[in-house]
Amino acid sequence: EIVLTQSPATLSVSPGERVTLSCRASQSISSNLAWYQQTPGQAPRLLIYGASTRATGIPARFSGSGSGTEFTLTISSLQSEDFAVYYCQQYNNWPPYTFGQGTKLEI
Amino acid sequence: VQLVESGGGLVQPGRSLRLSCAASGFTFRDFAMNWVRQVPGKGLEWVSYVSWNSNNIHYADSVKGRFIISRDNAKNSLYLQMNSLRSEDTALYYCVKDFSTWENAFDIWGQGTMVTVSS
Repeated sequence: EIVLTQSPATLSVSPGERVTLSCRASQSISSNLAWYQQTPGQAPRLLIYGASTRATGIPARFSGSGSGTEFTLTISSLQSEDFAVYYCQQYNNWPPYTFGQGTKLEI
Repeated sequence: VQLVESGGGLVQPGRSLRLSCAASGFTFRDFAMNWVRQVPGKGLEWVSYVSWNSNNIHYADSVKGRFIISRDNAKNSLYLQMNSLRSEDTALYYCVKDFSTWENAFDIWGQGTMVTVSS
């Protein structure tokens, strides 16, 4: 089973800042990685798939990069609605699909 | 495009429960589907997968032998039969659509149905 480790667990930031979230896989997963955003009381929302492709309707301030075992999600200028929990997910070696433990962005 | 889960509730350990998910706004029969669960305040755990034609089915080890996933393409519906429920199955259960055959990201999520296993 592939383990995804996200860092940091919590990140305190301010609106307008640029932030980078990390996701590390226990073995190579090529580019088969997705990022999700979950706000309180809501279901997760797909942001990025294929490590770097934005899903439909996702603002350009969200970008993903990486391949193999190291991946990042960058938010270029934080908006108030971006304060949420972010999860990475791998779909290269499955079953099982696995998720990271999440990174919480807080003000 | 919408997924609406139902069937959750309070159930005693060892009992059974059947979750349903009604899909609309897309061609349900063309896409693989999944169940993903989340203990409130905790992370996401994939539970089960079924291919578009039900020929391929997979389960997390934590539910294998107890849960059964199925679908009815004529009714645009996905199901999860949960047997021998345990307290650790308590979670919000999401019905989730695969993005495509070649990208197994999850692009559409329902709002979830809560399952509580307690005596």
